Amino acid sequence: DTAVSQTPKYLVTQMGNDKSIKCEQNLGHDTMYWYKQDSKKFLKIMFSYNNKELIINETVPNRFSPKSPDKAHLNLHINSLELGDSAVYFCASSQRGRGSYEQYFGPGTRLTVT
Amino acid sequence: GENVEQHPSTLSVQEGDSAVIKCTYSDSASNYFPWYKQELGKRPQLIIDIRSNVGEKKDQRIAVTLNKTAKHFSLHITETQPEDSAVYFCAASLLNTGFQKLVFGTGTRLLVSP
Repeated sequence: DTAVSQTPKYLVTQMGNDKSIKCEQNLGHDTMYWYKQDSKKFLKIMFSYNNKELIINETVPNRFSPKSPDKAHLNLHINSLELGDSAVYFCASSQRGRGSYEQYFGPGTRLTVT
Repeated sequence: GENVEQHPSTLSVQEGDSAVIKCTYSDSASNYFPWYKQELGKRPQLIIDIRSNVGEKKDQRIAVTLNKTAKHFSLHITETQPEDSAVYFCAASLLNTGFQKLVFGTGTRLLVSP
C-alpha cells in the first residue's frame, strides 16, 4: 500500500546518456511534483503538475522534461546527462482543497552520473 | 522570488534538552510554513505546519511559532529523544487557490545524544 512510489531507486549511468524516472501515487491526489536534492541536501522544486497540466516550471535545463500521462503518474526524462545532474530526485504529491497541504514524498531516486 | 534562510546548519543536544531551529523568509505574501523531517536515507515527511493567520501551533513535543512582522518562524522540540535525530527543513509558500510552491531552507542536522 505504498503511497508514492518511484522507480528505479538507484540509477548509475554515463555522461551523455538519456534516462527516465517514473513516479506513481495511489492517494488520489491531483497535484504532483519533482524535487532535486543535491549533495548538500538542498531541496529544490523543479516541476509541478495539477491534473496533468504543468503549473510550476522552475529554471531547469530543457534537458529535463516531465510528462504526466494521468493524475496518478508523473515521469521525468533527462537527456544528455551531465555530472551535475547527480542528485536524489524526489517525487511528491498533494491534494488541493482538503484542508491539508501536506506533500507526500516518494522514496527518492539516487542518480549518479559518471 | 521567495528566499528562505535556516539556522543553525547543525545542532547537537543531549537527550531531554530542547532544540530550536529558526527560519526567515523574504516574501511577505507567503502564508504557509511547513516543517519537514528527513531521516538518513529516507524521504522528507511533514511534522507540523502553520498558516499565516496563526501565531503558534503545538503537537505534543513539537511547536512552531510565526512572527509575520519580522518574517521569521521557528521550530521548537522539547524533551528531545535520539529518534529526533534527523535533518529538519523549513519551507515557505504562497497558497494560491490551493496551489503551493514550497521554497525550502537549507536544512538543520539535529543530533540528539543519549
